[in-house]
Amino acid sequence: EAGVAQSPRYKIIEKRQSVAFWCNPISGHATLYWYQQILGQGPKLLIQFQNNGVVDDSQLPKDRFSAERLKGVDSTLKIQPAKLEDSAVYLCASRPPGQATYEQYFGPGTRLTVT
Amino acid sequence: GQQVMQIPQYQHVQEGEDFTTYCNSSTTLSNIQWYKQRPGGHPVFLIQLVKSGEVKKQKRLTFQFGEAKKNSSLHITATQTTDVGTYFCAGAGSYQLTFGKGTKLSVIP
Repeated sequence: EAGVAQSPRYKIIEKRQSVAFWCNPISGHATLYWYQQILGQGPKLLIQFQNNGVVDDSQLPKDRFSAERLKGVDSTLKIQPAKLEDSAVYLCASRPPGQATYEQYFGPGTRLTVT
Repeated sequence: GQQVMQIPQYQHVQEGEDFTTYCNSSTTLSNIQWYKQRPGGHPVFLIQLVKSGEVKKQKRLTFQFGEAKKNSSLHITATQTTDVGTYFCAGAGSYQLTFGKGTKLSVIP
C-alpha cells in the first residue's frame, strides 16, 4: 500500500512570499490532517478534514493560512504571506475509516524555511 | 484546551539500560497513542491504548494507560541503538490528537 505523499519535500522562501504544499493521502482514507511541527516540538494540528469538509480548524491562523480538499482526496495548504515563525515541517496525515481505528499515517513532510 | 505534558525532554542512556517516558494530560482522554520519530523522519504509529489501566507490550516496549485515563508511560527494556529517536504521546479528545513535546532518546553504544 502506498503511503501518504507530500510535495515539495523542501522549500525556502523569503518572508511575505506565498507558498503551497500538496498532500495525497492513502487511498480510501477519508480523514486528512495538516500538522505544523516546529523544531524540537510535537506536531500541532492545523486543520482536519473529513472527506471534503472541515472538522476542526481552530488552530489554523486563518489570516495567513488556508487549506482545501475540494474532491475529498488530495489537499493543499497555503501560506500567504509567510512569516519567519512559519519555518517548520508541515506534515500531512491520514486515517482509515472506522471508529475503532485511531492510528494516523504521516507523510514525509515539507520542510519550510522562511528567510 | 487540552494539554499533554511529556517528560523527560531528553534522555541519554547506555545501550542495555532501560528507558521510560511519561505523559500527562490536563483532561480525561478517550485514548492515547504513541509515535516514534527517527531523526529526519516522520512520526510512525507504535500503539494505541483505549481502556483504563490497559497495559500492552511490543517486544521490549511496554505501554501503560492510567486508571483515570489521564496519564501514560512507555518503558523500553534493554535499549538498543535502533531505539534512538523521539517518542511522542498523543492524547485523543473528541476529534483531534494533541501531541506532547516528545522525549528524545539517545543511546550510547
